[in-house]
Amino acid sequence: EAQVTQNPRYLITVTGKKLTVTCSQNMNHEYMSWYRQDPGLGLRQIYYSMNVEVTDKGDVPEGYKVSRKEKRNFPLILESPSPNQTSLYFCASSLTGGPDTQYFGPGTRLTVL
Amino acid sequence: GDSVTQMEGPVTLSEEAFLTINCTYTATGYPSLFWYVQYPGEGLQLLLKATKADDKGSNKGFEATYRKETTSFHLEKGSVQVSDSAVYFCALSDRGGSEKLVFGKGTKLTVNP
Repeated sequence: EAQVTQNPRYLITVTGKKLTVTCSQNMNHEYMSWYRQDPGLGLRQIYYSMNVEVTDKGDVPEGYKVSRKEKRNFPLILESPSPNQTSLYFCASSLTGGPDTQYFGPGTRLTVL
Repeated sequence: GDSVTQMEGPVTLSEEAFLTINCTYTATGYPSLFWYVQYPGEGLQLLLKATKADDKGSNKGFEATYRKETTSFHLEKGSVQVSDSAVYFCALSDRGGSEKLVFGKGTKLTVNP
C-alpha cells in the first residue's frame, strides 16, 4: 500500500530538548516536504527536498533542520524546541512536486511546554 | 508571492443541501489548482485538481473549474452528506523552484442529518 508514515503521532516535550520526527514514504518519490498547520493559518511549508542530498528552506524554516540521506526518509529535527513550535506537522511526498499529487502523512501533533 | 484566499468558515449545512466554497488565487504564471480534504484526526487527502485553465476537476460528487479570467477555483457539490463533514483546503502549486503547495486557511464544513 502506498503511504507516507510519520512517527511519533503525538509528542509532548519541554523547551530545549532536541527531538526528531521521522517521515518515510514507500512510493519512490523524489520530492518530499514538511508543513506545519496552525489554526487560522492553514499549512505552511517548512523545508522541502527535491532529491537525495538536495534540501531547501520553505516559508517558515527557523528552528528546524532536515536531512535527506535516503530517498524514502526525510526527518524533521528540532534542535532546541520552543513553545511557538507547538503545532501539527505533516510530511508529504510526490513524484516531482509541482502539479504532481502530493501524498500526506497522518500528522504529528507536537506540544512544547 | 503566490497566495490563496478561501471563504471563511465554519459552514454548516443540512444533508442534501448545495455546497459552494469559494476560492480565489494570486499567482505569477499558470499554477495547478487543488482541493484537499482533511477528515477529523487525519492527514490531507487530494480531493480533486485542475492543471490548466477551463479544466474541471471532479471526485466523489465534488467539482471545481479552473477559471483563469476570475482567478477562481470554487468547490461545489450538489447534495452534501454527513460524511462530507471535514475541513477543505484550496491550494495551488508554486512552480517557482520549491514546487510547494500554497494553501488557503481552510474551511470547516459540518453537515447535519
